[in-house]
Amino acid sequence: DAGVIQSPRHEVTEMGQEVTLRCKPISGHDYLFWYRQTMMRGLELLIYFNNNVPIDDSGMPEDRFSAKMPNASFSTLKIQPSEPRDSAVYFCVNGGRENEQFFGPGTRLTVL
Amino acid sequence: GQSLEQPSEVTAVEGAIVQINCTYQTSGFYGLSWYQQHDGGAPTFLSYNALDGLEETGRFSSFLSRSDSYGYLLLQELQMKDSASYFCAVRDRSEEGSTLGRLYFGRGTQLTVWP
Repeated sequence: DAGVIQSPRHEVTEMGQEVTLRCKPISGHDYLFWYRQTMMRGLELLIYFNNNVPIDDSGMPEDRFSAKMPNASFSTLKIQPSEPRDSAVYFCVNGGRENEQFFGPGTRLTVL
Repeated sequence: GQSLEQPSEVTAVEGAIVQINCTYQTSGFYGLSWYQQHDGGAPTFLSYNALDGLEETGRFSSFLSRSDSYGYLLLQELQMKDSASYFCAVRDRSEEGSTLGRLYFGRGTQLTVWP
């Protein structure tokens, strides 16, 4: 198993542009989390899914952020329009049992 | 709400022993996990405690006291490669109580190991 796959690994865009981050989770794991990490705020949970269903999106900062999980093999996090304060590393995290959480390599987003 | 407290940084020399403490407040507690993150990398899972006591995995051990809402990560025989950030994380139940809930992370402890 290749583990959690995220793309792109790096994204540089200009303010106002749409950004789509992608995640291919590990097969057979029921939970998928989207986190972002910054020096100022640490690891923040944005949203998580259980069996492809969004359970808690209270961490999504505002309406500019949206996430989908159309099937067990794919999830996206979209920011539209992007702003410089969205610059961060975004992690897709996958797991089943409470003690098995696997981080993807992350997408480093820079919004100019 | 949920909160986790851990020291922001710790320094030690090679071969020494270091303990990183974590105190937490959460509802519907499932367990306490520890993750390691090197600069530029992603956090990787180190250990998990659901019950009170000490879990040992090689040079690393993790301890949990549920009654004290406290745990620690113990790193022995420190090596330069252990220099990294260490995060404690707690998992709680969903609001409905029937499924696993959110996974909360502390702010991380930056460990620097000197030769």
